[in-house]
Amino acid sequence: QVQLVQSGAEVKKPGASVRVSCKASGYTFTTYLIHWVRQAPGQSLEWMGWVSAGNGDTLYSQNFQGRVTFTRDTSASTAYMEMSSLRSEDTAVYFCAREPGDHYPFDYWGQGTLVTVSS
Amino acid sequence: DIVMTQSPDSLAVSLGERATINCKSSQSVLYSSTNRNNLAWYQQKPGLPPKLLIYWASTRESGVPDRFSGSGSGTDFSLTISSLQAEDVAVYYCQQYFTAQTFGQGTKVEIK
Repeated sequence: QVQLVQSGAEVKKPGASVRVSCKASGYTFTTYLIHWVRQAPGQSLEWMGWVSAGNGDTLYSQNFQGRVTFTRDTSASTAYMEMSSLRSEDTAVYFCAREPGDHYPFDYWGQGTLVTVSS
Repeated sequence: DIVMTQSPDSLAVSLGERATINCKSSQSVLYSSTNRNNLAWYQQKPGLPPKLLIYWASTRESGVPDRFSGSGSGTDFSLTISSLQAEDVAVYYCQQYFTAQTFGQGTKVEIK
């Protein structure tokens, strides 16, 4: 069965960086896009962008351009999201999610990774 | 960016009664090449990721109970739960995937 398993919770100081991983199983990793979405406490969902697991192409939301980097390791079937210059407003649960095809929504999601930014 | 606006923000419905959530997009999400609306609905329970319920505005995801239905086209959409069950208590989000991705602010559904 399809699974996306994310790395554990992180606590970071303002100005630091964080990397969250998303390990895929149960399907051919390189066939799909992996999106990243975050959810601040009590808030809605905010799309961050995507990485193509096949060729590594990326697309970033303008809200995160320049501060976030998506990569993937096809040998490990894992996608990564790295965010730099963290501030308290970045405290949120970060999700990875699979897009099964062009003009499709997200059919599988990771369990979420809580990133807390606090001095 | 396409802005998605849901109404109401919260909804209390008696068990077995109908619940309807509305979603309005700031521009059409109808993709002319496929004649499909790039609009999805998700259910999110506390501590869990969102779960896809409906895509292309009205297509139910596999395994989703048929009491959930979606309708609408262009800029105006609805999610209906025909007979509310206790396990349907959750926050529901609409999402457009026509241009990039944006989500509505969410509608909390509770039992009256």
